[in-house]
Amino acid sequence: QKEVEQDPGPLSVPEGAIVSLNCTYSNSAFQYFMWYRQYSRKGPELLMYTYSSGNKEDGRFTAQVDKSSKYISLFIRDSQPSDSATYLCAMSFTGNQFYFGTGTSLTVIP
Amino acid sequence: GAVVSQHPSWVICKSGTSVKIECRSLDFQATTMFWYRQFPKQSLMLMATSNEGSKATYEQGVEKDKFLINHASLTLSTLTVTSAHPEDSSFYICSARGQRREENTIYFGEGSWLTVV
Repeated sequence: QKEVEQDPGPLSVPEGAIVSLNCTYSNSAFQYFMWYRQYSRKGPELLMYTYSSGNKEDGRFTAQVDKSSKYISLFIRDSQPSDSATYLCAMSFTGNQFYFGTGTSLTVIP
Repeated sequence: GAVVSQHPSWVICKSGTSVKIECRSLDFQATTMFWYRQFPKQSLMLMATSNEGSKATYEQGVEKDKFLINHASLTLSTLTVTSAHPEDSSFYICSARGQRREENTIYFGEGSWLTVV
């Protein structure tokens, strides 16, 4: 069983839709949770960082961590064509090793 | 702007030659840097972890004599692909962890596309 599971998609939504991206994990010791956005042929860009459980909001992006269910989510409100990218979840125990999901490919259609 | 800079973005080299890729943390000291390889439409594959001033730790299956990693300072790590072959053609990405804001996360460089002909 992989440490981190992420549906690869692809996911296509119309512009303005709310997007929900999810990852599940198997090890309850993970404490640090991240979401990265990767445009084609570019390095991943840190979008959201969360420590332990709870929600974090930044503009149109909301990250949620549910440690009891071992489930993290990224919500994108009012999605834009510029949000079209691959979204990677990542997590860490102590910040020394990082475990990545396989990425979800998102296309926002104008 | 990017907090981790990677150079070059693109490089084409002849088979049998060596290529060096640099990774710099611009506004923080990177105690640990990671090097990844990514094939098209696939996830990141960790190649090695390097800590400043010590030898890199390579993942299983990664040839340390082929992929030389140097982390001589807190702001610079280099990956040298020695005696490159066409199968080494790939997207190489570095990331850095250090003393900045969210310390227990990592920031990625822009990536380097290597084509070996």
